[in-house]
Amino acid sequence: DGGITQSPKYLFRKEGQNVTLSCEQNLNHDAMYWYRQDPGQGLRLIYYSQIVNDFQKGDIAEGYSVSREKKESFPLTVTSAQKNPTAFYLCASRSQATNEKLFFGSGTQLSVL
Amino acid sequence: RKEVEQDPGPFNVPEGATVAFNCTYSNSASQSFFWYRQDCRKEPKLLMSVYSSGNEDGRFTAQLNRASQYISLLIRDSKLSDSATYLCVVNTGGSYIPTFGRGTSLIVHP
Repeated sequence: DGGITQSPKYLFRKEGQNVTLSCEQNLNHDAMYWYRQDPGQGLRLIYYSQIVNDFQKGDIAEGYSVSREKKESFPLTVTSAQKNPTAFYLCASRSQATNEKLFFGSGTQLSVL
Repeated sequence: RKEVEQDPGPFNVPEGATVAFNCTYSNSASQSFFWYRQDCRKEPKLLMSVYSSGNEDGRFTAQLNRASQYISLLIRDSKLSDSATYLCVVNTGGSYIPTFGRGTSLIVHP
């Protein structure tokens, strides 16, 4: 079955540590997105990518980095510069047509030890 | 003014009630519209797309008012299992970034 997979489901970060969240899709979608969600809040865009080897900052990119070396994969690194990383992270993908719906992964809950 | 606005609620309704949510958008170039449902600490799941002529799926009805720039979601005969957050999503022509509302919380009680 086609879909979008995020891992791990839960992740713990120590002070000063970088951690990487995985996002893989086999839907042949060009566009991929990373969102952050804090309790009781909406989704905020961190980074997005429309094609391989290209990505753009979203509204809250500081302290995060991404890569898009393959169409299927869009990993997100939460760096030590992100001082408040505890949140629910969602990856999504969509076909390039702008009227298409988003497909979401099941999310990663990141917490700081 | 935010691009997409929703009343965060919560809307607290008894089982069997009819409840309606609105979502307003600011960009008149917006082309497509969706309602997603999100349960706590889960990913959003598509509830329904919103078409210009309005559309219905069982107990759910979505409508679009382009003149006033809002979309609505009506839920009839509310069930306990309808308790969730309902997210409004708007796609704007020429942009590859879907815009999310903050979400409206619905609590259906016995």
